[in-house]
Amino acid sequence: EIVMTQSPATVSLSPGETATLSCRASQSVGSDYLSWFQHKPGQSPRLLIFGASTRASGISERFNGRGSGTDFTLIINTLQPEDSAVYYCQQSYDLPFTFGPGTKVDIK
Amino acid sequence: QVDLRESGPGLVRPSETLFLTCDVSSGSISSYSWNWIRQSRDKGLEWIGYVYHHAGPNYNPSFRSRVTISLDTPKRHFSLEVKSVTSADTAIYYCARGSPGIAASDVWGRGTVVVVSS
Repeated sequence: EIVMTQSPATVSLSPGETATLSCRASQSVGSDYLSWFQHKPGQSPRLLIFGASTRASGISERFNGRGSGTDFTLIINTLQPEDSAVYYCQQSYDLPFTFGPGTKVDIK
Repeated sequence: QVDLRESGPGLVRPSETLFLTCDVSSGSISSYSWNWIRQSRDKGLEWIGYVYHHAGPNYNPSFRSRVTISLDTPKRHFSLEVKSVTSADTAIYYCARGSPGIAASDVWGRGTVVVVSS
């Protein structure tokens, strides 16, 4: 199976700063099959980005994804307190679909 | 707006079978895949499998032959069955709609907590 890794495990930033989250796949997943999710405690995961770089419906322009192949990045600009969450990447290129372990974003 | 809602017992005894259902409030059933995903403390988010209206299910091999996912289109729900559960199956179980056009799960249920304990 394709193993997804994410870094850093945790990042602590102040409001207004920029968060840069990395996701790496153990083999190429192209650019169409990489998604990013935001997960807050007590809520269901929320799709932010699909196809590596396309924002899902209703997602703020502060969230930007890029990358292809094995290396992907989620950039969150102008951090807001409500951005505090765990962010997961997922590949749907090959079965079984797999998630990264997540990056926890803490807003100081 | 499509709403997904999981239901099922919150407590299951070891070695028994877990059965969950996900109701789909509206929209097309046939145009999407219907997924089960769980989150446990040890393994994070784990994709269990999916079912399509027009095709058979696909499962995560890590579940071997313990899992069955089925779709009841007229009743607008799909189900997850996990046999021979152990404490490792304790998790939050989510159902989610997979959108082939974007290759992503774009609608998720709220999740249901399942505890495996005697």
